[in-house]
Amino acid sequence: DAMVIQNPRYQVTQFGKPVTLSCSQTLNHNVMYWYQQKSSQAPKLLFHYYDKDFNNEADTPDNFQSRRPNTSFCFLDIRSPGLGDAAMYLCATSRDREREGRKAAEQYFGPGTRLTVT
Amino acid sequence: AQKITQTQPGMFVQEKEAVTLDCTYDTSDPSYGLFWYKQPSSGEMIFLIYQGSYDQQNATEGRYSLNFQKARKSANLVISASQLGDSAMYFCAMREVSGSARQLTFGSGTQLTVLP
Repeated sequence: DAMVIQNPRYQVTQFGKPVTLSCSQTLNHNVMYWYQQKSSQAPKLLFHYYDKDFNNEADTPDNFQSRRPNTSFCFLDIRSPGLGDAAMYLCATSRDREREGRKAAEQYFGPGTRLTVT
Repeated sequence: AQKITQTQPGMFVQEKEAVTLDCTYDTSDPSYGLFWYKQPSSGEMIFLIYQGSYDQQNATEGRYSLNFQKARKSANLVISASQLGDSAMYFCAMREVSGSARQLTFGSGTQLTVLP
């Protein structure tokens, strides 16, 4: 039973053409995260939502935006993709940002969307 | 300074043998959690094991165990009886409880190859 779903798994877009990646979850978790992962590198956090509270990382380019219309869905919008934005994009969820312990902190990852920019 | 350090970019192990993947961390937060994730070539991040900073015993999950040495700030992953399906990238990650974001900070990863 899929818990964090990402669509599509593979996305090809043209240089400068806006693209949206989607993530949905069946866990009813408060927190949703978007990571960018380039080849052979660690995932890099772009931003996260705690409920409707949006938290942008300081070094996330303005080209990246996100929307969370409800608890279950979160979208990553890349307004003008460049060749350097080609990467795996991972969505993750966690139960509660505020509490301690594994159950609060563990992040559940989706399968990722591999973005190619031509 | 890096918060999570994985010094082994690549490791090889013979099938059925045990292997240790190293991880050291740096934090001044007294409360934190340490995670290991496995990432096969398909891309999904799979949770393996968790260790809380106040846990008295080392965590174990099946063939995975975490060698937690708090004073040395190390959290090495031990995989016993390696299988071919264990070939993957392994990431160590830390979550500090204090601070505004409480996000996971990942190490650079170790690529493990299990040889038949």
